[in-house]
Amino acid sequence: KQEVTQIPAALSVPEGENLVLNCSFTDSAIYNLQWFRQDPGKGLTSLLLIQSSQREQTSGRLNASLDKSSGRSTLYIAASQPGDSATYLCAVALTDSWGKLQFGAGTQVVVTP
Amino acid sequence: DADVTQTPRNRITKTGKRIMLECSQTKGHDRMYWYRQDPGLGLRLIYYSFDVKDINKGEISDGYSVSRQAQAKFSLSLESAIPNQTALYFCATSDFRDATVGYTFGSGTRLTVV
Repeated sequence: KQEVTQIPAALSVPEGENLVLNCSFTDSAIYNLQWFRQDPGKGLTSLLLIQSSQREQTSGRLNASLDKSSGRSTLYIAASQPGDSATYLCAVALTDSWGKLQFGAGTQVVVTP
Repeated sequence: DADVTQTPRNRITKTGKRIMLECSQTKGHDRMYWYRQDPGLGLRLIYYSFDVKDINKGEISDGYSVSRQAQAKFSLSLESAIPNQTALYFCATSDFRDATVGYTFGSGTRLTVV
């Protein structure tokens, strides 16, 4: 069974610092990997999706990398802002799981002004 | 309108009652999913459907049932609600034919069973 781990579980940084969020997975036969943001009590907002054949994806201040051989993905958020405070979830779809996502437990981020 | 719409947004119900959570989508995706989220346990898959005729159990399907009424509609029922089904429930869609398309989630239904 695919295990998805996110470290750290919580992170607090001052505004302006870069954020580095880590996600590791045990089965490298992935279909794609998706990063989500969740505000307290709210739904999940998709941030970036990396296909199995890709090494990274970028959107604005966000950059996500993927290294299948080591079972790792990293989400970088440049020049953090208080509005970036949220929980960030990593989710992996395996090629043989018919698209079902396996989620990590998330990293709770607080950006202080 | 949202791509994936869940109703109701919030619901309080009594133990033993039957309750239905509804989900509709305008994405045109073939696959639909129901997840529940509990503090400390993350998101867990309840049921998923690849098309109208295909329904599959997820990892925590006991006490739940689903109906795929149309490609765009997928409802989740709690036949006899119990307090440990208190959670945040999410509906999601995906198009597995296209690896560039990820999941789209609804805004969630907060269910409280008293």
